[in-house]
Amino acid sequence: DVKVTQSSRYLVKRTGEKVFLECVQDMDHENMFWYRQDPGLGLRLIYFSYDVKMKEKGDIPEGYSVSREKKERFSLILESASTNQTSMYLCASSLDRDEQYFGPGTRLTVT
Amino acid sequence: QKEVEQNSGPLSVPEGAIASLNCTYSDRVSQSFFWYRQYSGKSPELIMSIYSNGDKEDGRFTAQLNKASQYVSLLIRDSQPSDSATYLCAVNGRYNFNKFYFGSGTKLNVKP
Repeated sequence: DVKVTQSSRYLVKRTGEKVFLECVQDMDHENMFWYRQDPGLGLRLIYFSYDVKMKEKGDIPEGYSVSREKKERFSLILESASTNQTSMYLCASSLDRDEQYFGPGTRLTVT
Repeated sequence: QKEVEQNSGPLSVPEGAIASLNCTYSDRVSQSFFWYRQYSGKSPELIMSIYSNGDKEDGRFTAQLNKASQYVSLLIRDSQPSDSATYLCAVNGRYNFNKFYFGSGTKLNVKP
């Protein structure tokens, strides 16, 4: 059974803070993804990684960075959180060209 | 033009009826197609994947793919109130087949 876990279900941060969102998968998947989901806008890809230390920008990378030092872990970093980054953040992983499995999500509020 | 288009709904069907959810996509070279179900406040969970033209059945769910028309659908037979959720269509990208494009989802309400 594929398991993708995220470090927090709910997070409240202040404007300007540095925020780390962690994602871990236990199925040896090569690919990992970070999305944000907002009402009316659907799922939007922020960054993805297809191997350790490899990353590629998605559709909305501005204001975010990522880190993948180990195959099972993919971190999303908000260097200086802003209120427009309040959102649901979803991590996913997949094998090559295969379906993506999602973590439970982190609802981030930036005040 | 969005890569994946879905009617946002809500689609309301009575319990026991067939619910039909539709999705169109823009990139002719897409090869992999997925349907996800998302309950309110939860993350998406995979229901079906389909890769070839035609129908694929799994229990009460049938996915249909027509690559010529760039159209994929999901039929839910004998709809139950527990099927009430938002259904997301996902299609793989042209330049990186591991990258998916998601539709914004169709909200389904199944009324008892």
